[in-house]
Amino acid sequence: QVQLQESGPGLVKPSETLSLTCTVSGASINSYYWNWIRQPPGKGLEWIGYIFYSGSTKYNPSLKSRLTFSVDTSKNQVSLKLSSVTAADTAIYYCSSGYYTGKFDDWGQGTLVTVSS
Amino acid sequence: QSALTQPRSVSGSPGQSVTISCTGTSNDVGGYDYVSWYQQHPGRAPKLMIYDVTKRPLGVPDRFSGSKSGNTASLTISGLQAEDEADYYCCSYAGTYTVFGGGTNLIVL
Repeated sequence: QVQLQESGPGLVKPSETLSLTCTVSGASINSYYWNWIRQPPGKGLEWIGYIFYSGSTKYNPSLKSRLTFSVDTSKNQVSLKLSSVTAADTAIYYCSSGYYTGKFDDWGQGTLVTVSS
Repeated sequence: QSALTQPRSVSGSPGQSVTISCTGTSNDVGGYDYVSWYQQHPGRAPKLMIYDVTKRPLGVPDRFSGSKSGNTASLTISGLQAEDEADYYCCSYAGTYTVFGGGTNLIVL
């Protein structure tokens, strides 16, 4: 079973960049598409995008201009950067192993990021 | 892109069956056989219950089944149990992105 652990600051100031890392264990980073999904407190799920080990990416069109994904195969990690954040970006951020089809097999526990001054 | 449409809540008694609908468009649900369903208990990460419209991952009880007709997908849970009370989200591939439904709260009476 794939295990995923998100990490990063829990508090980010408005207009700054949110940076998160997902550390993968139990599987090679080469095996799956690595998806990021978020959930504002008390609300539904929103697909953010994915990165493949080759560096190929797909982003949610509504976030694309502010998003950058990267992969570090030597550390078995994938990372997310979301720039120019506002309070609307406050959410639990999950990373997930899976495919580009919306099949998300394993999930991290999620990390809450609050955007506030 | 718009979220897929799900009922806000559904309910059923133990042992009964319930069906949760998920309505999209020909650009997502109707255009691909890539609909998945996720169960989420409070404070927990979502769990994959159905993928590719009808397939169940190992370990998911066969009480959970999926189907699709046109632009609407459905999740049916038969033999309702107390532990099935949770939020359920549908999800569909849409060619260049993936989209979730707004979620349905299942109440077991």
